[in-house]
Amino acid sequence: NAGVTQTPKFRVLKTGQSMTLLCAQDMNHEYMYWYRQDPGMGLRLIHYSVGEGTTAKGEVPDGYNVSRLKKQNFLLGLESAAPSQTSVYFCASMTGGGQETQYFGPGTRLLVL
Amino acid sequence: AQSVTQPDIHITVSEGASLELRCNYSYGATPYLFWYVQSPGQSLQLLLKYFSGDTLVQGIKGFEAEFKRSQSSFNLRKPSVHWSDAAEYFCAVKAGGFKTIFGAGTRLFVKA
Repeated sequence: NAGVTQTPKFRVLKTGQSMTLLCAQDMNHEYMYWYRQDPGMGLRLIHYSVGEGTTAKGEVPDGYNVSRLKKQNFLLGLESAAPSQTSVYFCASMTGGGQETQYFGPGTRLLVL
Repeated sequence: AQSVTQPDIHITVSEGASLELRCNYSYGATPYLFWYVQSPGQSLQLLLKYFSGDTLVQGIKGFEAEFKRSQSSFNLRKPSVHWSDAAEYFCAVKAGGFKTIFGAGTRLFVKA
């Protein structure tokens, strides 16, 4: 079991460029989440999904889009990157059904210049 | 709205000393409560969780936490800190729905 994996691990973008972060889980979890982590602010929820084909906005969704075409994958897109999106991005998954523990990926460090 | 407060941004303790990290939450009913740990450069790992029942819960690495409904608190404790415990600790609450709210974190420094 690989658990939750994220691609890429690190990326540098110029303002206005686009990119997609990939999250994959092999635990057959229904729920998946994208967070960003900034110093002194903990983790803030960007978007989440409660099942294949579903997505919903979290606390800080502006500037991001997501898709969950397959149950095991959850993609986070930045259409036009801004310096304010410099952050560490974590993906997490959860099985649901009473087992409320989230399992986190290793993170993607993004720098927008 | 649900919220989680970790009053201490950072704490320094000596190796072998006891530790208590504070966490207060805001929610009308009993939430699901969690403590996660993040070692430098690493991802988050679950230390322990509380759903119901015994208000004192045991976790991994010798940590425990106590749920106190009257104080809306879920403080994390360890009787004797090891240098490897230096990390950032996040309290989190799941209060209905599918979302978990995280506190801002407390960074623990351990002195030799």
